Amino acid sequence: RKEVEQDPGPFNVPEGATVAFNCTYSNSASQSFFWYRQDCRKEPKLLMSVYSSGNEDGRFTAQLNRASQYISLLIRDSKLSDSATYLCVAWYSSASKIIFGSGTRLSIRP
Amino acid sequence: AAGVIQSPRHLIKEKRETATLKCYPIPRHDTVYWYQQGPGQDPQFLISFYEKMQSDKGSIPDRFSAQQFSDYHSELNMSSLELGDSALYFCASSSRTGGDTGELFFGEGSRLTVL
Repeated sequence: RKEVEQDPGPFNVPEGATVAFNCTYSNSASQSFFWYRQDCRKEPKLLMSVYSSGNEDGRFTAQLNRASQYISLLIRDSKLSDSATYLCVAWYSSASKIIFGSGTRLSIRP
Repeated sequence: AAGVIQSPRHLIKEKRETATLKCYPIPRHDTVYWYQQGPGQDPQFLISFYEKMQSDKGSIPDRFSAQQFSDYHSELNMSSLELGDSALYFCASSSRTGGDTGELFFGEGSRLTVL
């Protein structure tokens, strides 16, 4: 079982829809979490950091549930440009170790 | 602002050849990570360096080696290349002494094709 698990998708939703991804982690020592966005054949880029109970940035909301050990990403009013793979990342500060999930593919259709 | 620079961007090699990838981290970043990403795969951690010393090792084959130099740039050396080594190799940097938040800054990657 991977330390960070994501639904691989693909999620195929119409423009303007709201879509949510979940990510679960197995090691409770994980300190911080991040959502990275990766376009095809490009490098991952930080989308959001997820600290404490979660945070919001425009159309994007990230939530962290430490009791259930999962992180979620909600995208509202989705745009065609949101089509990408979204990678969930856990950071263990004690080992300065970073673990990637397998990514969730999102495709927004007109 | 300066980003992580990787070279070469594209590299084509034949089986059993050797390849070297270079990574120049963001200035004042002291930690470098190497990742390998095959088609349709998530980035797989290979190795990391902190202050020029290896700090963590992942799924790096014995045929691969890496080091971080005094100017903090890093090189990944791959020998006896196999077809399965064809992948996108990412370098990422972070600042551990600057208050490590776990955030990584990625280079654009080096695409290796082994024929």
